[in-house]
Amino acid sequence: QLQLQESGPGLVKPSETLSLTCAVSGGTIDSTTYYWDWIRQPPGKGLEWIGGTYYGGTTYYNPSLKSRVTMSVDTANNQISLKLSSVTAADTAVYYCARKSYIDSWSLFDYWGQGTLVTVFS
Amino acid sequence: DIQMTQSPSSLSASVGDRVTITCRASQMISDSLNWYQQKPGKAPEVLIYAASSLQSGVPSRFSGSGSGTDFTLTISSLQPEDFGTYYCQQSFSISYVTFGQGTKVEIK
Repeated sequence: QLQLQESGPGLVKPSETLSLTCAVSGGTIDSTTYYWDWIRQPPGKGLEWIGGTYYGGTTYYNPSLKSRVTMSVDTANNQISLKLSSVTAADTAVYYCARKSYIDSWSLFDYWGQGTLVTVFS
Repeated sequence: DIQMTQSPSSLSASVGDRVTITCRASQMISDSLNWYQQKPGKAPEVLIYAASSLQSGVPSRFSGSGSGTDFTLTISSLQPEDFGTYYCQQSFSISYVTFGQGTKVEIK
């Protein structure tokens, strides 16, 4: 059974860089079939897609966050990473990593991590 | 970007009721529409993909329909465990995924 586990600091100071990793177990991330995405959810609010990455290096970022986001794939450790720079209180959220699978021409997020709360707080 | 608008934002229904949630896209997305259920403190789980395909393991009381810009999620007979928030998500744009704002379902 595939499992995703996010980890990283729960508190980040304003203007600093948020760094999270997502460890993948029960499967390999170096597959041409899957993208690995990050999605966040501010407390009490809806879901916001941050971006997605593919082991071959292709990345897609939410245009509203593109200037601050970097995602990468670490095949040696079977994990993906997220960096979000210059954070503000508006970046306080539960951050999820998720696998995006393709069935024919359709994609869906079929596996999610449990999520990790990151609070931007001085 | 493709904006997704759900209605209603919340609803309260009784066990056994038929429940319908709608999702409208700001432009044509064919059948590239997924539905997720999220329970408090948990990650979302996919229910429906490609507008009407039931994800493996999801009860058959859940169904989806629609194409183009208008989509519907139906729960044919609401069960106590169906409480939570439901989100639609368009997968038409690979470079910019967007979600609806969510519909909170409560059991009377």
